[in-house]
Amino acid sequence: NAGVMQNPRHLVRRRGQEARLRCSPMKGHSHVYWYRQLPEEGLKFMVYLQKENIIDESGMPKERFSAEFPKEGPSILRIQQVVRGDSAAYFCASSPTLTYEQYFGPGTRLTVT
Amino acid sequence: QKEVEQDPGPLSVPEGAIVSLNCTYSNSAFQYFMWYRQYSRKGPELLMYTYSSGNKEDGRFTAQVDKSSKYISLFIRDSQPSDSATYLCAATSGAQKLVFGQGTRLTINP
Repeated sequence: NAGVMQNPRHLVRRRGQEARLRCSPMKGHSHVYWYRQLPEEGLKFMVYLQKENIIDESGMPKERFSAEFPKEGPSILRIQQVVRGDSAAYFCASSPTLTYEQYFGPGTRLTVT
Repeated sequence: QKEVEQDPGPLSVPEGAIVSLNCTYSNSAFQYFMWYRQYSRKGPELLMYTYSSGNKEDGRFTAQVDKSSKYISLFIRDSQPSDSATYLCAATSGAQKLVFGQGTRLTINP
């Protein structure tokens, strides 16, 4: 049973470009969560989605960031017009139901130059 | 004030020692408490979780929650070099967003 998959694992973008991060949850999991880990900091919640619905986006920056989890395909975290401060590791987690047992993927490390 | 506070360390102990990792939290609504292990450049791995107060044991690992003092602990017995990692505590009031501590970097020396 494959775990949570994220791609790309490493992403380099110049300031002003767009970054698209993908997350495929574990098989049978319909709940997806995105977290961001800044250097020397713990993980910070960004957004919680179910298929075709954003349930809680209280941790998302108000501008430039968006997330989706379509009926078919992976969940996407999109960052428009990236800035240096967006450089971080972005982790996706999934769970089978509404539960605290969240299983994390390997992360996407975004570097903005 | 952060909702979950954790000493970032680093913490270095000899192989075989008992390791104690601790967190405090401020939100009385937190009911579920987790410990994750994160190896360098990897994703967090769920180690243990507990509901409300009490102890939970799994092999060499024991998780402890004291809600009266808002204190979360993880004990590792007979520590091994392979236990060297960053340990993250987390808490949640429901089942959605997890609130994490900063993480404690642990090194077990052979």
